[in-house]
Amino acid sequence: ETGVTQSPTHLIKTRGQQVTLRCSSQSGHNTVSWYQQALGQGPQFIFQYYREEENGRGNFPPRFSGLQFPNYSSELNVNALELDDSALYLCASSLGGGDEQYFGPGTRLTVT
Amino acid sequence: GQQLNQSPQSMFIQEGEDVSMNCTSSSIFNTWLWYKQDPGEGPVLLIALYKAGELTSNGRLTAQFGITRKDSFLNISASIPSDVGIYFCAGPPGPGSSNTGKLIFGQGTTLQVKP
Repeated sequence: ETGVTQSPTHLIKTRGQQVTLRCSSQSGHNTVSWYQQALGQGPQFIFQYYREEENGRGNFPPRFSGLQFPNYSSELNVNALELDDSALYLCASSLGGGDEQYFGPGTRLTVT
Repeated sequence: GQQLNQSPQSMFIQEGEDVSMNCTSSSIFNTWLWYKQDPGEGPVLLIALYKAGELTSNGRLTAQFGITRKDSFLNISASIPSDVGIYFCAGPPGPGSSNTGKLIFGQGTTLQVKP
């Protein structure tokens, strides 16, 4: 059984740039959720994708957008990066939107 | 909005000691999840609880779903150095919430174990 994978591991971007983060769900899982984790805090829900559509969204501005592909993998896109976007971005997969979400190792984004 | 409060914020214990931590909310949760996060890694699901009063074990870990549905507890017996990390409680918002798919996380309890 393959777990959740994310790429890249680390990323450094400049304020105003755009970034795309990628996630492959655990085998057999069809739902992907994205979270932002600032240093010293718990993860904050960005949005969830199920059947290639957004299934729920947290309190994040529209410059945070996503996609889910037919193979259930997903992308998180962030436009017009701000310094406060520096964080660990976590992807989690689940089956049918179930409560048990399994996380990948995360992508550490630094915005300078 | 709904919030989860974890206590203690941090713990420093001797190897072999038992550990207790808890998570409380002002509103009802129908599911409680406990995760452990090591530095630079994603959270790992330890235990899931679905029924008020439920007591579930995973090795040396035992978690309980509080009777009021507003709290949950995690106990670790006979701690070892690899128990070091941050423990998070989490759960989906209650009925009527528009945030489908969302998990709310507590702020975490940091555990340090002295060999």
